[in-house]
Amino acid sequence: GAVVSQHPSRVICKSGTSVKIECRSLDFQATTMFWYRQFPKQSLMLMATSNEGSKATYEQGVEKDKFLINHASLTLSTLTVTSAHPEDSSFYICSADPSLNTEAFFGQGTRLTVV
Amino acid sequence: DQQVKQNSPSLSVQEGRISILNCDYTNSMFDYFLWYKKYPAEGPTFLISISSIKDKNEDGRFTVFLNKSAKHLSLHIVPSQPGDSAVYFCAATSLNTNAGKSTFGDGTTLTVKP
Repeated sequence: GAVVSQHPSRVICKSGTSVKIECRSLDFQATTMFWYRQFPKQSLMLMATSNEGSKATYEQGVEKDKFLINHASLTLSTLTVTSAHPEDSSFYICSADPSLNTEAFFGQGTRLTVV
Repeated sequence: DQQVKQNSPSLSVQEGRISILNCDYTNSMFDYFLWYKKYPAEGPTFLISISSIKDKNEDGRFTVFLNKSAKHLSLHIVPSQPGDSAVYFCAATSLNTNAGKSTFGDGTTLTVKP
């Protein structure tokens, strides 16, 4: 099946610094990718839709200036958490799918810890 | 308002028995539903899906049932195996949308005891 690779799998950073998370579709092109966030024992919450060659679409309540998304190619989307704070500590997951109405393929997730 | 609900946070069953995981939704625009399995510190992996034109879809040990009038779906795993122990997420989307953009329930932690 299709593969979505996410990197890094785990990162610890200091408050006030920025962290970049990469999401790559390895064997298919994805004009659209999605970024989710999961708090402990909670559901995956959609943060934003990453659109290749255009601006990302953010869900209500998600700060676009804090969570910068870039989708520069058909196989790569990046999420940058800017000026990270401890409350940004979470599990971030990306997803993509090769075509409409199929399963979605998820990256392995990134555990971000801000200290 | 949560549009996809999994009211049972946990379920424990004996190996070899049936596991039934339930999911309810409120948005009548949803017409495509997916179940994912997730281990800690990993992304979800797809299990099975169903579109609203069907009321049942089967794949090996996994069967999903959809009751549109009740806005309810369920995942049956039979026979359950210890390796099935994980968190199961129900997700909903529309047929005109990428499956990657779905609304997820809170998950049900399934424990299958040997």
